[in-house]
Amino acid sequence: DGGITQSPKYLFRKEGQNVTLSCEQNLNHDAMYWYRQDPGQGLRLIYYSQIVNDFQKGDIAEGYSVSREKKESFPLTVTSAQKNPTAFYLCASSPTGANIYNEQFFGPGTRLTVL
Amino acid sequence: AQSVTQLDSHVSVSEGTPVLLRCNYSSSYSPSLFWYVQHPNKGLQLLLKYTSAATLVKGINGFEAEFKKSETSFHLTKPSAHMSDAAEYFCVVSELNNNDMRFGAGTRLTVKP
Repeated sequence: DGGITQSPKYLFRKEGQNVTLSCEQNLNHDAMYWYRQDPGQGLRLIYYSQIVNDFQKGDIAEGYSVSREKKESFPLTVTSAQKNPTAFYLCASSPTGANIYNEQFFGPGTRLTVL
Repeated sequence: AQSVTQLDSHVSVSEGTPVLLRCNYSSSYSPSLFWYVQHPNKGLQLLLKYTSAATLVKGINGFEAEFKKSETSFHLTKPSAHMSDAAEYFCVVSELNNNDMRFGAGTRLTVKP
């Protein structure tokens, strides 16, 4: 059963603590993405990775960090430097290559609340 | 760079009546266009996609969209709304061989009994 899993579904943390959100995929996709979603707004790209051991900043990377040590995994760390971390976080993956139309497959999301 | 504008932040229809969610895009190259649906506290599910084949694209759950290059539009329609269609809908644009997808701000669809 192929897909993307994110854990946990809900996460509560105290202000000033770092927290890591998990994202795993078994679709054999090369590219993976992290988005942030706030009420009434579309998705904003935090980081993306097109290949193992390589990743690029998206539009709102400040206060976040990622790693891509394995093809299947793309964890996101929300650091204490992120000023307003409470949001819904979505992970996605997609195949890459010539003539690929970039459809992204999404996980179920993690809702992070900072108290 | 590509961008997308969803013209309505909220659309309300009665069950059994048609649905129209409007989307305009901007792209320097041949675009790929997508509609995704999101139910509360869930991930996004692909409804349909346009990838330079037929301009009228049929998707899941009775939705379809028409690519109109002259109007730079990709509006989503459904002949008859169902209560289960109530959700947030996102129009998305990307360009061939470019993994950068741009999301619209979303349209919240409400379906009244």
